[in-house]
Amino acid sequence: EPEVTQTPSHQVTQMGQEVILRCVPISNHLYFYWYRQILGQKVEFLVSFYNNEISEKSEIFDDQFSVERPDGSNFTLKIRSTKLEDSAMYFCASSERFRTLDTDTQYFGPGTRLTVL
Amino acid sequence: AQSVAQPEDQVNVAEGNPLTVKCTYSVSGNPYLFWYVQYPNRGLQFLLKYITGDNLVKGSYGFEAEFNKSQTSFHLKKPSALVSDSALYFCAVRDGDSSASKIIFGSGTRLSIRP
Repeated sequence: EPEVTQTPSHQVTQMGQEVILRCVPISNHLYFYWYRQILGQKVEFLVSFYNNEISEKSEIFDDQFSVERPDGSNFTLKIRSTKLEDSAMYFCASSERFRTLDTDTQYFGPGTRLTVL
Repeated sequence: AQSVAQPEDQVNVAEGNPLTVKCTYSVSGNPYLFWYVQYPNRGLQFLLKYITGDNLVKGSYGFEAEFNKSQTSFHLKKPSALVSDSALYFCAVRDGDSSASKIIFGSGTRLSIRP
């Protein structure tokens, strides 16, 4: 069964450093998302991406964040200057092109745990 | 705005007994509801969803959920719990009619099945 993959599984960085989290969505999916989960808190939406542009972003997704689909398979989340409060589990998700209501389930990757020191 | 609420932080059930994990929703328009499960050190796995049609939705691993419009609930159920069902369960709702619409998650319920 195809699945979303994410690398690395764990990233440790110093405050102020740039990090890039990588995701490979399911191959025939066209909609991509990033969510995050701070330890002990809810899973929160960050951004959705379709047709090489951002569809929607949350208040969390400020100028320090950016997303990119650099090639046909990868989808990346970049944090330009990390803060302590960016420490969280970051989940990538993807969904298929909307043809019927049944095809827009979002499938999640295993997550990248980001620790900012 | 769309939202879901999971009133229980923790549910404890003996193996073999039926289990219910509660979820209530608040939406404008048609509700598109989901259940996801998170096992330790794993990502979110899709269990089932309600879009339209039958109020009883069947999903993975023997789970099912009952959509109740009058009570605005979408409780997750399983007739006979297994120890391996122990995990964190999230109810969620899609916010919007677009395929790019985000999912809004509940706070999660930790399910613990004792042998």
